[in-house]
Amino acid sequence: KAGVTQTPRYLIKTRGQQVTLSCSPISGHRSVSWYQQTPGQGLQFLFEYFSETQRNKGNFPGRFSGRQFSNSRSEMNVSTLELGDSALYLCASSLSPGVGNTIYFGEGSWLTVV
Amino acid sequence: QKEVEQNSGPLSVPEGAIASLNCTYSDRGSQSFFWYRQYSGKSPELIMFIYSNGDKEDGRFTAQLNKASQYVSLLIRDSQPSDSATYLCAVGGSGNTGKLIFGQGTTLQVKP
Repeated sequence: KAGVTQTPRYLIKTRGQQVTLSCSPISGHRSVSWYQQTPGQGLQFLFEYFSETQRNKGNFPGRFSGRQFSNSRSEMNVSTLELGDSALYLCASSLSPGVGNTIYFGEGSWLTVV
Repeated sequence: QKEVEQNSGPLSVPEGAIASLNCTYSDRGSQSFFWYRQYSGKSPELIMFIYSNGDKEDGRFTAQLNKASQYVSLLIRDSQPSDSATYLCAVGGSGNTGKLIFGQGTTLQVKP
């Protein structure tokens, strides 16, 4: 069974640009979460989607947004990129939210902002 | 106080020894606990999950949970050089959410 698939894997953007990252969850999984990982801050929660609805949002500025489609695939968007947005962006999926649901991560999208 | 705390290490153990990784958390309502392994330049890989107090064993790995002490640990028996990685403790909150709070991770070095 295929794992969580994220695209693109690597990208370089210029300050002020915007970027869209895509995530396809494990087949049958309907819950998708996004995390940002940086050396200084570690892994931080961005947002969580289930049945096309955002259920939780982390402490990130409004430049960070996301959505989930009816097939459970998800995208996240970062507008007006800043140097500090350079990070590994990770998507995670589970069958549904809540206790008892195992959460698996994709390989991540490495974003470099120059 | 951080929500999830881990000793950053590095924790160095000889090959074949038991490695003990510890994690404490602040939210008493937390109900799900995960250990992920992350190699440099890679994404986190799920090692163990535990929801109930006590021990849970899977091969060379044992997760231990003590909700009263708000403490979760991971034991790695017969440590191998390939176990050298950063181990992340992640805690899921109460309620119907998949949000995880991560510790900063403990770097484990297994020396041949």
